[in-house]
Amino acid sequence: DQQVKQNSPSLSVQEGRISILNCDYTNSMFDYFLWYKKYPAEGPTFLISISSIKDKNEDGRFTVFLNKSAKHLSLHIVPSQPGDSAVYFCAASGLTGGGNKLTFGTGTQLKVEL
Amino acid sequence: SAVISQKPSRDICQRGTSLTIQCQVDSQVTMMFWYRQQPGQSLTLIATANQGSEATYESGFVIDKFPISRPNLTFSTLTVSNMSPEDSSIYLCSVRGDTEAFFGQGTRLTVV
Repeated sequence: DQQVKQNSPSLSVQEGRISILNCDYTNSMFDYFLWYKKYPAEGPTFLISISSIKDKNEDGRFTVFLNKSAKHLSLHIVPSQPGDSAVYFCAASGLTGGGNKLTFGTGTQLKVEL
Repeated sequence: SAVISQKPSRDICQRGTSLTIQCQVDSQVTMMFWYRQQPGQSLTLIATANQGSEATYESGFVIDKFPISRPNLTFSTLTVSNMSPEDSSIYLCSVRGDTEAFFGQGTRLTVV
């Protein structure tokens, strides 16, 4: 049972435009959400997170939106840059496992083209 | 933040053999986590390694196949035992900070 889903395996965007990556979850006990970026041959690196008490969190070019009623979150990158080309994972945690366990989506491969 | 060193970074192993992956953290942490990422799949938690007690395994993972050691607060090992081609994956060590998790660079394992 995939509790965190990223339905788009890949996304291609032109440099300077907005990238929107989507993530859906099914477990209503999740209360904290994170986005990670992963380059080949490297471990995932943390990008941005959001708590369920918020609906938006912004950090530079990255903004995460959370719609709790729809169990949906999205990551907006604007403007997109070629260095943003990577696999992006959303992850969720909640009361299960004391809040330490992360459940990941399957990832979206973002390609930013010149 | 935490800096995690993981080795080996990659290996090619014969089926039926075992591989031990090492994970070193630059600070003391209570819990260390081991994940697996199979080709085209998400990161899946294998187990949580606690210092001074046995590791806690997730559903579908057993100690005989993935024994874990946690001798101190900065180090852990994961062994992939009696390997088969289905074990070909990236294995990642992780620790949890205040708000996010930090990962090692991963071990890319290919079983032939």
